[in-house]
Amino acid sequence: DAKTTQPPSMDCAEGRAANLPCNHSTISGNEYVYWYRQIHSQGPQYIIHGLKNNETNEMASLIITEDRKSSTLILPHATLRDTAVYYCIVRPWGSKTGANNLFFGTGTRLTVIP
Amino acid sequence: EPEVTQTPSHQVTQMGQEVILRCVPISNHLYFYWYRQILGQKVEFLVSFYNNEISEKSEIFDDQFSVERPDGSNFTLKIRSTKLEDSAMYFCASYPTSRDTDTQYFGPGTRLTVL
Repeated sequence: DAKTTQPPSMDCAEGRAANLPCNHSTISGNEYVYWYRQIHSQGPQYIIHGLKNNETNEMASLIITEDRKSSTLILPHATLRDTAVYYCIVRPWGSKTGANNLFFGTGTRLTVIP
Repeated sequence: EPEVTQTPSHQVTQMGQEVILRCVPISNHLYFYWYRQILGQKVEFLVSFYNNEISEKSEIFDDQFSVERPDGSNFTLKIRSTKLEDSAMYFCASYPTSRDTDTQYFGPGTRLTVL
């Protein structure tokens, strides 16, 4: 089941950075933090993931605290198209084929305001 | 960029009828999944499939459900006798390799409406 806690909703002004927090206080040493988003009823879209270090890609940055109990997804310049539900998911790694399953929580509904 | 495709985009059926939802995963991906999302609720894992067999399934995936990879490209979800509560978006996903740092890629979904 979902092992993360996220605020149910957030607003962000267009062009500003959107900082979406996630608590995963029970994360294990072998679990990655993944972020997905879902725009309206489309399929979830992968954004970024990390284990310990901060990560950045063309979509976003992921900041993971040193104790790994929380993280923040940063969309540096939010646009109206970034309005979506954002999911923070912890996922174990390992050789089990089933270990790749994703368990979604309720996520954060981000609304980008013009 | 390669993508997961699903057909049909919307399926309407009568209660008690069988439905088959189809997915074409990304070529050369090895792991396949079905998820569902009831309107207004969270995305729920149904089943994972690897090496031509189910590797894990949730409590939702009861005997009414089955999955198949009949021809090496399609990945199907069959619901044998649909119920009203099966109405949902069904998402297929595929995963490239056994490397832990890869990610799942989701299809656009099939909206199933059971009347």
